[in-house]
Amino acid sequence: DTGVSQDPRHKITKRGQNVTFRCDPISEHNRLYWYRQTLGQGPEFLTYFQNEAQLEKSRLLSDRFSAERPKGSFSTLEIQRTEQGDSAMYLCASSPPVGLAGVQETQYFGPGTRLLVL
Amino acid sequence: AQKVTQAQTEISVVEKEDVTLDCVYETRDTTYYLFWYKQPPSGELVFLIRRNSFDEQNEISGRYSWNFQKSTSSFNFTITASQVVDSAVYFCALSFMDTGRRALTFGSGTRLQVQP
Repeated sequence: DTGVSQDPRHKITKRGQNVTFRCDPISEHNRLYWYRQTLGQGPEFLTYFQNEAQLEKSRLLSDRFSAERPKGSFSTLEIQRTEQGDSAMYLCASSPPVGLAGVQETQYFGPGTRLLVL
Repeated sequence: AQKVTQAQTEISVVEKEDVTLDCVYETRDTTYYLFWYKQPPSGELVFLIRRNSFDEQNEISGRYSWNFQKSTSSFNFTITASQVVDSAVYFCALSFMDTGRRALTFGSGTRLQVQP
């Protein structure tokens, strides 16, 4: 099975620039999640999609952040007018539909995109 | 609100020692899931185990074992006969069973260093 993939793996940008990250979930996983992880901390939930519908958003997801999953497959996370505080690892995860025995609710993570804002 | 506490920031052991990583959680929900993930230096979170709140049976998988005690809100993870390859950051996480709320709440992690 191909795991969750994320692109790019690393991104360096200047403050004020826009950046976009892509996540491709595991095939047949209809749920997709975005998390942010800063140094020395655990991942923090940002948002969640079921198919193309964005069902849950964290208060961490400010107006500068937008996530989409237009066809219910891959997802993009865009950060506008980046700030130094946005520097973090952005993790994507996916999980299978409800009903697949033994695997409900387990989220499988990709390798992450490490963002550095100068 | 949910909260996961991993009080041990860093643990260092010598290879072949047993080590227990502590996890204490808080939730008002009576049904929930608990997880352990491993994050090696490469950065990718690797799923280790998931437990349902109504299943308090301990679990063993090779050198790994998990002790879930609802009475103390703890879900501890023991590695027996540790190996250098076990060196990583380990995260405990909690999620609702409510179908409308899927977010995982993670602890801050415990960095395990296994010295040869």
